[in-house]
Amino acid sequence: KQEVTQIPAALSVPEGENLVLNCSFTDSAIYNLQWFRQDPGKGLTSLLLIQSSQREQTSGRLNASLDKSSGRSTLYIAASQPGDSATYLCAVNIAGNQFYFGTGTSLTVIP
Amino acid sequence: DAGVIQSPRHEVTEMGQEVTLRCKPISGHNSLFWYRQTMMRGLELLIYFNNNVPIDDSGMPEDRFSAKMPNASFSTLKIQPSEPRDSAVYFCASSWAGGAAFFGQGTRLTVV
Repeated sequence: KQEVTQIPAALSVPEGENLVLNCSFTDSAIYNLQWFRQDPGKGLTSLLLIQSSQREQTSGRLNASLDKSSGRSTLYIAASQPGDSATYLCAVNIAGNQFYFGTGTSLTVIP
Repeated sequence: DAGVIQSPRHEVTEMGQEVTLRCKPISGHNSLFWYRQTMMRGLELLIYFNNNVPIDDSGMPEDRFSAKMPNASFSTLKIQPSEPRDSAVYFCASSWAGGAAFFGQGTRLTVV
């Protein structure tokens, strides 16, 4: 069974800092990998989707990379803002229709 | 599209009562997922459907839980009888052919 791990579990940074969130998975035979954001009491918002054939995806200040061979993905957030404070989850998609989630990284950006 | 729509947003019920959660996936999506989220266990996949057919229900905790998808635009998750340990946020998500998954806002269930 696919195991997905996110480290650190919590992260606190001052506003303006660049930061990296990590996601690792045990089985490299993935279909795609997706990063989500979850605000307290809310649903999950899709941030970026990386297909297995891709190495990275960018959206605004966010950049996600994928290294299947090492079972790792990173989410890079540039020039962090207090509004970026949330829990970030990665999900690995197996066979196109099964998503395995990590436990998330809780990010706090201090003004 | 309005996204994945779940109802109700909040449900408080007494132990032993039947609870039905509802989900309308994004139009055109062919996969639908039910997840449960708790502080202790995080996000757990309960069941998923592909083209309205249940593919994997191994995450359904007990026979008290059942899910149906009578057509491409509607799914239900039923708990009968409900127990306090079922209290959680239940999410529905949908996707198309291995693409990105989109989640609803969730149903916060409290069983007292």
